[in-house]
Amino acid sequence: NAGVMQNPRHLVRRRGQEARLRCSPMKGHSHVYWYRQLPEEGLKFMVYLQKENIIDESGMPKERFSAEFPKEGPSILRIQQVVRGDSAAYFCASSPWTGGMNTEAFFGQGTRLTVV
Amino acid sequence: AQKITQTQPGMFVQEKEAVTLDCTYDTSDPSYGLFWYKQPSSGEMIFLIYQGSYDQQNATEGRYSLNFQKARKSANLVISASQLGDSAMYFCAIGETSGSRLTFGEGTQLTVNP
Repeated sequence: NAGVMQNPRHLVRRRGQEARLRCSPMKGHSHVYWYRQLPEEGLKFMVYLQKENIIDESGMPKERFSAEFPKEGPSILRIQQVVRGDSAAYFCASSPWTGGMNTEAFFGQGTRLTVV
Repeated sequence: AQKITQTQPGMFVQEKEAVTLDCTYDTSDPSYGLFWYKQPSSGEMIFLIYQGSYDQQNATEGRYSLNFQKARKSANLVISASQLGDSAMYFCAIGETSGSRLTFGEGTQLTVNP
């Protein structure tokens, strides 16, 4: 049973380019969450998605950032026109729908984005 | 809104000794879950242990146990018989309702000395 898969592990972009980060949740998991970790800080929530729906995007910057979780395929976090301040580790987590409290929230290995 | 406070930026422990990492939380939701994660220098987030707010007993997973004191709103992680491989950053997190996001603390850097 494969875990949460993120790719690429490392991504280097020049200022102004686009970054696309991919996340495939664990088998059977229908919830996907994206978090950002700036250097020397804890993880900060960005967006929560279910298949074809954005449930909570309250942590997402208003401009340049978007996320999707299509019916087929991985969830994508897209950052347009990247700036140096976007350099961070981006983590995806997935959990199953249990109808009650989530007791599992497993993370992928993260994508480390460096903007040069 | 929920909040996690980890007051120990760094902790040191001798190999084979036990160590407690502090975590306090604030939430207005009567139903919530508390999580601990380990982040080694390689960067991945490793799930360690979970405690539900209505669980009567403290959670345990191998050498990890969670000292849950609901009235004090604390959820300290206890690592018994520390090993060199336990050296890492440790994060406490809270999740409220089903399907909700996690709110993380700033972390505690644990160093295990030989």
